[in-house]
Amino acid sequence: TQLLEQSPQFLSIQEGENLTVYCNSSSVFSSLQWYRQEPGEGPVLLVTVVTGGEVKKLKRLTFQFGDARKDSSLHITAAQPGDTGLYLCAGRPGGTSYGKLTFGQGTILTVHP
Amino acid sequence: SAVISQKPSRDICQRGTSLTIQCQVDSQVTMMFWYRQQPGQSLTLIATANQGSEATYESGFVIDKFPISRPNLTFSTLTVSNMSPEDSSIYLCSVVLSLGTEAFFGQGTRLTVV
Repeated sequence: TQLLEQSPQFLSIQEGENLTVYCNSSSVFSSLQWYRQEPGEGPVLLVTVVTGGEVKKLKRLTFQFGDARKDSSLHITAAQPGDTGLYLCAGRPGGTSYGKLTFGQGTILTVHP
Repeated sequence: SAVISQKPSRDICQRGTSLTIQCQVDSQVTMMFWYRQQPGQSLTLIATANQGSEATYESGFVIDKFPISRPNLTFSTLTVSNMSPEDSSIYLCSVVLSLGTEAFFGQGTRLTVV
């Protein structure tokens, strides 16, 4: 079973601060996805990274996939209260396990006004 | 993307009873999955719902406790059987449109067993 270690588990910051969430594994993933989930809703896909070393930007969010495709990070610049939520990384293993995702433990982010 | 309708959105059930959760997708999808999530925590895969055949269960989950049906490419059900308070959780349906593409999720079913 491929495991994803996500950290930190909790993050409480003030509006305007920067933050980084990490997702690490000893295994290689064919792709890695980041989701954001709000209470009472299912996870919503933010981005998928596929290529080792890939960097993707989504407004104030920057996603990076490690060169070896074993780790990823999510960096938020100038966080806003609307960024509050549960952030989840999820890796798709290679081979025939199409569609199956391994999730990290999640990061609960709270941004205070 | 896909629009996923999951019903019910929440329920409170007596221990020893069973609840069936429905997942309806607005288009034919390659794969459907069922996850369990404790509030504020991550997702654990229960099983892959296979169309026309028995579901494939992950370690720790068995068919007698979580029977799953998938009669066609747009619909699946998950039953939580003989419920106990430990089954209180959020249950999520997920779909993949085609091999190698992103997964999309329903809004979840919040189950409380009393």
